[in-house]
Amino acid sequence: NAGVIQTPRHKVTGKGQEATLWCEPISGHSAVFWYRQTIVQGLEFLTYFRNQAPIDDSGMPKERFSAQMPNQSHSTLKIQSTQPQDSAVYLCASSPGWDQDTQYFGPGTRLLVL
Amino acid sequence: GDSVIQMQGQVTLSENDFLFINCTYSTTGYPTLFWYVQYSGEGPQLLLQVTTANNKGSSRGFEATYDKGTTSFHLQKTSVQEIDSAVYYCAMGPSSGSWQLIFGSGTQLTVMP
Repeated sequence: NAGVIQTPRHKVTGKGQEATLWCEPISGHSAVFWYRQTIVQGLEFLTYFRNQAPIDDSGMPKERFSAQMPNQSHSTLKIQSTQPQDSAVYLCASSPGWDQDTQYFGPGTRLLVL
Repeated sequence: GDSVIQMQGQVTLSENDFLFINCTYSTTGYPTLFWYVQYSGEGPQLLLQVTTANNKGSSRGFEATYDKGTTSFHLQKTSVQEIDSAVYYCAMGPSSGSWQLIFGSGTQLTVMP
């Protein structure tokens, strides 16, 4: 089992450019989560999907951020018009699908917006 | 609102010292509680998980006990080793219908040889 796969591992964008981050959950897991990690704010929940359907996006910034899960094998987090304050490590996690299940995290994508 | 508090931002110990990291939580009900460990350049990985059904968890020499009375979930280890150096996060599991984890601010543990 390869674990949660995130690509790219590092991404550098210029201010105003778009960034798309990819996540491949563990095979058979039905829930996929996105978190953001910064020194100042720590680990913050962004959004999650269950059986590909968006369930809770209460942590997503209302503008410029969107997430999708077009099939059970991958999810994307897209940031339009990136700003320096979007610089962070974006973590994807998956879980088998019961609410008390452990979430298994990927290695993260480190986004740097210049 | 729901929250998890870790007061110790950094802890520095010598090998074979006793480790104790405080964690308290605030929510309605009795959520599952987790300790995750994060090594440099990696995502958080589960260290242990405890529910009200079992009240105590242990893994790799680490122990944590769920105390509903004081809403605390401290992490301890009798004898730390240099390889234990990492960031430790207390997290609270699903409650109020959402499956998100709520994390504490993390404790950077450095173990000197």
